[in-house]
This record gives sequence, structure tokens and C-alpha cells, in this order.
Amino acid sequence: KAGVTQTPRYLIKTRGQQVTLSCSPISGHRSVSWYQQTPGQGLQFLFEYFSETQRNKGNFPGRFSGRQFSNSRSEMNVSTLELGDSALYLCASSLEAYTSYEQYFGPGTRLTVT
Amino acid sequence: AQTVTQSQPEMSVQEAETVTLSCTYDTSESDYYLFWYKQPPSRQMILVIRQEAYKQQNATENRFSVNFQKAAKSFSLKISDSQLGDAAMYFCAYRSGYNAGKSTFGDGTTLTVKP
Repeated sequence: KAGVTQTPRYLIKTRGQQVTLSCSPISGHRSVSWYQQTPGQGLQFLFEYFSETQRNKGNFPGRFSGRQFSNSRSEMNVSTLELGDSALYLCASSLEAYTSYEQYFGPGTRLTVT
Repeated sequence: AQTVTQSQPEMSVQEAETVTLSCTYDTSESDYYLFWYKQPPSRQMILVIRQEAYKQQNATENRFSVNFQKAAKSFSLKISDSQLGDAAMYFCAYRSGYNAGKSTFGDGTTLTVKP
């Protein structure tokens, strides 16, 4: 079974631009969570989607948004990019939205904002 | 809100030796799971071991075992017979039974394995 895939793997954007990152979960997985990883803040939860609905949202400004499609693929969007948005963005998928189910992480998208 | 603390930013161990990574957490919930993840330099996060809070028995996975002290809210990871491939960043994580999609992570411990 293929693992969680994230595209693109690397991205360079300019301050003020917007960006869309994509996450394809493991086949059959319906829950997708997004995390931001930075050296200063560590791993922080962005949001979780299950069956096309956002179930949970972390403490990030409204510039960060996401969605999930009927095939469980998820995208996250960051508008009006700031230098501080430079980070590794990880997504994780889970079969169901229960804690007893493992979260499997993708390789991440490295976003650099200049 | 739940918090996870890893007090050791860096640890090193000699190959074939044993090392213990520390993790403490704070929660008022009764239903939760604890995890240790490994993130090698290639950046793919891999699950090492998990512990359900309702289980008293400590989890083990081959060379990896945990010491789960629920009352003390402590969850340490012991790596036995350390191998060069164990070198990575290790994260302790908490997942609530009431909020399955969100993991709360510690700041991580960088483990170096010396040959």
C-alpha cells in the first residue's frame, strides 16, 4: 500500500503570495491532519479533516485554511505569505477519526518564503 | 490544554548500549494515548511505539520499550542495543481520546549514536 504522499516536496514563494499544498492519504484513510514544523515552535497542529468536514482547528490565523475532497485528499492553503510561514508542513492520515487508529505521516512539504 | 515536555534536547549513546529518553505530559483527561515518533534526517516521521493510558502494562516493540508512570505523568522511551540507524530526532506525542485528529508534540530529543 502506498504511504501518505505530499506535493510538492519543496516550494519557494515570495512574501505576500499564496500557496496550496496537497496531501493524498493512504488508500482507505478518511482522516487527514496537518501540522507545521519549525525549529522555533516545533510541531504544531493546524487542522483535521474527516469526511470532508473540518473537525478541529489549531491556533493559527485565518490565512491558513484547508479542505478535503470526497476521495479524502486534502489541500491546505496559506494566503498572504509571511516570512514566518517558512516551515515543513506535514500531513498525517488515519483510517478513522478515533485515537486508537494510528496516524501515518507524509514526508512533508518544505515551504520557504523569501 | 495538554502539554508535552521533553527535557533533553540532545542525547548520545554508544552503539550497542542502552539509552532512555524522557517525556512528561500534563492532562486532566482520562482517555488518551501516548506515542514516540522517530524523525530521521530524511524527515519522514515514523511511529516507534504507542501506549494506551488505560493499559497498565508498559508497551514494548523489539528493542524499544516505554516506562509509563501514569500518576507521575511520565512516559520515557528506552532503546536497548542502540544501532547507528537509531540516530534521529525523537518526539513524544499525546493524543486525546476525545480529539483523535490532533497530536500534541514535545520539542523533540536529538539522539546521536556513536560507533
